[in-house]
Amino acid sequence: DAGVTQSPTHLIKTRGQHVTLRCSPISGHKSVSWYQQVLGQGPQFIFQYYEKEERGRGNFPDRFSARQFPNYSSELNVNALLLGDSALYLCASSLGRRDTEAFFGQGTRLTVV
Amino acid sequence: AQKVTQAQTEISVVEKEDVTLDCVYETRDTTYYLFWYKQPPSGELVFLIRRNSFDEQNEISGRYSWNFQKSTSSFNFTITASQVVDSAVYFCALNRDTGFQKLVFGTGTRLLVSP
Repeated sequence: DAGVTQSPTHLIKTRGQHVTLRCSPISGHKSVSWYQQVLGQGPQFIFQYYEKEERGRGNFPDRFSARQFPNYSSELNVNALLLGDSALYLCASSLGRRDTEAFFGQGTRLTVV
Repeated sequence: AQKVTQAQTEISVVEKEDVTLDCVYETRDTTYYLFWYKQPPSGELVFLIRRNSFDEQNEISGRYSWNFQKSTSSFNFTITASQVVDSAVYFCALNRDTGFQKLVFGTGTRLLVSP
């Protein structure tokens, strides 16, 4: 079975631009969460989507938005990119319950120049 | 607020040594869930274990073992007879039992195992 897939794997953008990151969850998983991992730190929660609805949002500005599609895949959008948005963006797939493990993709490495 | 502390930034050992990675957490909840993940250089977080707060049994899986102690709010991870392939960054994480699924991660411990 395929694991969590994210695209693209690497991306270079200029300050002020917009970026869209994509994630396909494990088959049967209805929850997708997004995390930002800055170099040398642990991942920070951005969003959780379950059954196409936003279930939770972390402490990130409104420049960050996401959505989940009927096939449970998800997009993370970031507008007006800042240098500080450079990070590894990880997508996690799960059954959605708090007591279940999340399975992560390989991430998208975003560099803002 | 939930918080996870991994005080060891980096640990270096020689192959076949045993190593323990420390994890201390803070939460006011009585029910919560603890996790360990491994992050190799490829970047993907690999799930290792989940522990519920009401289950304090220690667990062993091959060379890996976990010691959960609610009295000291610790969930430590031991690798026995370490191997070079164990080299990675290891993260401890906490999830509440209320609201949505949101993992709170520690800052990670980088483990370097040399031959």
